[in-house]
Amino acid sequence: NAGVTQTPKFQVLKTGQSMTLQCAQDMNHEYMSWYRQDPGMGLRLIHYSVGAGITDQGEVPNGYNVSRSTTEDFPLRLLSAAPSQTSVYFCASISSGQGIGYTFGSGTRLTVV
Amino acid sequence: TQLLEQSPQFLSIQEGENLTVYCNSSSVFSSLQWYRQEPGEGPVLLVTVVTGGEVKKLKRLTFQFGDARKDSSLHITAAQPGDTGLYLCAGGRKGSNYKLTFGKGTLLTVNP
Repeated sequence: NAGVTQTPKFQVLKTGQSMTLQCAQDMNHEYMSWYRQDPGMGLRLIHYSVGAGITDQGEVPNGYNVSRSTTEDFPLRLLSAAPSQTSVYFCASISSGQGIGYTFGSGTRLTVV
Repeated sequence: TQLLEQSPQFLSIQEGENLTVYCNSSSVFSSLQWYRQEPGEGPVLLVTVVTGGEVKKLKRLTFQFGDARKDSSLHITAAQPGDTGLYLCAGGRKGSNYKLTFGKGTLLTVNP
């Protein structure tokens, strides 16, 4: 089925470890974003991309890197995991032609111990 | 930072009751979206409103965008247990609707 695919679904990391959260979409959407969702905080934008080769910071970018080498893929890298990065991470994409209304992945639940 | 405040934060009702949840801001948005999220899943888009005063209906759900495009409401008629979930509003700014500002959500529980 067309949509946004995130892997892994669950991950436990030790403080200081690094990892990459994968995100792929098959809808040829130009725009892709990463959000984190924490209890009582809602969804907060980490990084976003308006097209291949173009990325920018959102509201809470510290500790995360992204790249967009293809239209389809938008991985999120945690450089040195910290307990404060324990969260649920969502990747989302949207078409510039549509302009409004994201398609979200099913999320990655990350625990940093 | 443009903030969106949702109320109530929690709502527990009986099947068949009506309810309204609110999404308010002091800032103007070019578009306002409503999503529903179920446990373990990502948010799913319900509706987008872009015109001040616009009303959209989706079966038993009625969405309204305020005249000044600063607020929105979601009304559910005759709620059903399947309506249970986290309802999120999100605002987009003109020229950058891909950078959404989300409210913290309203957690709705509909009891049989």
